[in-house]
Amino acid sequence: EAQVTQNPRYLITVTGKKLTVTCSQNMNHEYMSWYRQDPGLGLRQIYYSMNVEVTDKGDVPEGYKVSRKEKRNFPLILESPSPNQTSLYFCASSSTGRGYNEQFFGPGTRLTVL
Amino acid sequence: AQSVAQPEDQVNVAEGNPLTVKCTYSVSGNPYLFWYVQYPNRGLQFLLKYITGDNLVKGSYGFEAEFNKSQTSFHLKKPSALVSDSALYFCAVRDRISGGYNKLIFGAGTRLAVHP
Repeated sequence: EAQVTQNPRYLITVTGKKLTVTCSQNMNHEYMSWYRQDPGLGLRQIYYSMNVEVTDKGDVPEGYKVSRKEKRNFPLILESPSPNQTSLYFCASSSTGRGYNEQFFGPGTRLTVL
Repeated sequence: AQSVAQPEDQVNVAEGNPLTVKCTYSVSGNPYLFWYVQYPNRGLQFLLKYITGDNLVKGSYGFEAEFNKSQTSFHLKKPSALVSDSALYFCAVRDRISGGYNKLIFGAGTRLAVHP
């Protein structure tokens, strides 16, 4: 089954404790992206990747890091989480970054930073 | 900058009645427009898109959307609503970035509530 998987689905942590949210897709997609969803703000892009070893900042990259060492994986790293990073996070992928392909979304990771 | 607006936070409709979820956009050049749906505790699912061609686009689950260039709108419609259509709906527009690549700009979302 074609899918995007994220782990963990739920995470409660404390300020300053490094964490990683994993994302994996099995569709051989070139493009992957991370979003955060906050009430009234829709989805805002954190980082995206056009292909292996090619990543760039989205609209709200502060406090986040990413890497793309393999085509299927695109982990999101919070080196020192803060309460304002409490949010619902989605990973997404599409076959290309050319804009006309639909994106496939993971089930989401709900993060709470105390 | 490209942008998309969903003017209604919530839309309420009775089951069996037609529904419309509104979306307006602001882009330079030709718009690529998308609708996604989010069911509770799920990720977003693609419904339909307009890239070029017919202004009326048909998508999943009986939904359709009409592209109106003069009104810069891309409203989502369904002739007969189901209770199971209750969800959060997002409109999105392509935004060009460097190197010929693109990203999506999402609206704030509209919650659709279909009452029995």
